[in-house]
Amino acid sequence: NAGVTQTPKFQVLKTGQSMTLQCAQDMNHNSMYWYRQDPGMGLRLIYYSASEGTTDKGEVPNGYNVSRLNKREFSLRLESAAPSQTSVYFCASSLGLAGDYEQYFGPGTRLTVT
Amino acid sequence: EDKVVQSPLSLVVHEGDTVTLNCSYEVTNFRSLLWYKQEKKAPTFLFMLTSSGIEKKSGRLSSILDKKELFSILNITATQTGDSAVYLCSIRGSGGSNYKLTFGKGTLLTVNP
Repeated sequence: NAGVTQTPKFQVLKTGQSMTLQCAQDMNHNSMYWYRQDPGMGLRLIYYSASEGTTDKGEVPNGYNVSRLNKREFSLRLESAAPSQTSVYFCASSLGLAGDYEQYFGPGTRLTVT
Repeated sequence: EDKVVQSPLSLVVHEGDTVTLNCSYEVTNFRSLLWYKQEKKAPTFLFMLTSSGIEKKSGRLSSILDKKELFSILNITATQTGDSAVYLCSIRGSGGSNYKLTFGKGTLLTVNP
């Protein structure tokens, strides 16, 4: 039981490049989330998927897209990376919406955009 | 807009001390407040406090929720170096049809031997 896994662990991009962050969970959770964490800013919700087949914007969605590929997988895409997107990205999942249920977090992806 | 303010932002104590971390909030239609511990990597869940569960305890950690005064505290007694981490508070409201979960900036706790 791996919990929540994320790939890659580290990534360096040049401005304008694109990439997809992958996330998978093996806990049969319905809800999945993408957060970014910046120094002094706490965790900010980018997008979430309340259940398979649905996605919604969070607090800071601009510059990102997501895909809920199936119940297990939720990917985050940066179409044209910008230095402001340098951050640590966390994927999380929960049985139902977080706040009704606890969230389980992946190990994070450290992204640097130069 | 929902808001979570944690204090202090950082704290240094010695092993064996007792610490109290604070989380005050503003939220539309309170639903729950959650505490997480973040060591080097991913946050891990500590407690969820709701209208029907305003006090939680697990070992040396405990938390209470004051819905009237809009704050929560996280207490850690007999601190150990392994308690060194960032402690995050988050709040869920239920305003309208929008799902919203707001995190505070965290309190960095350092426990020295």
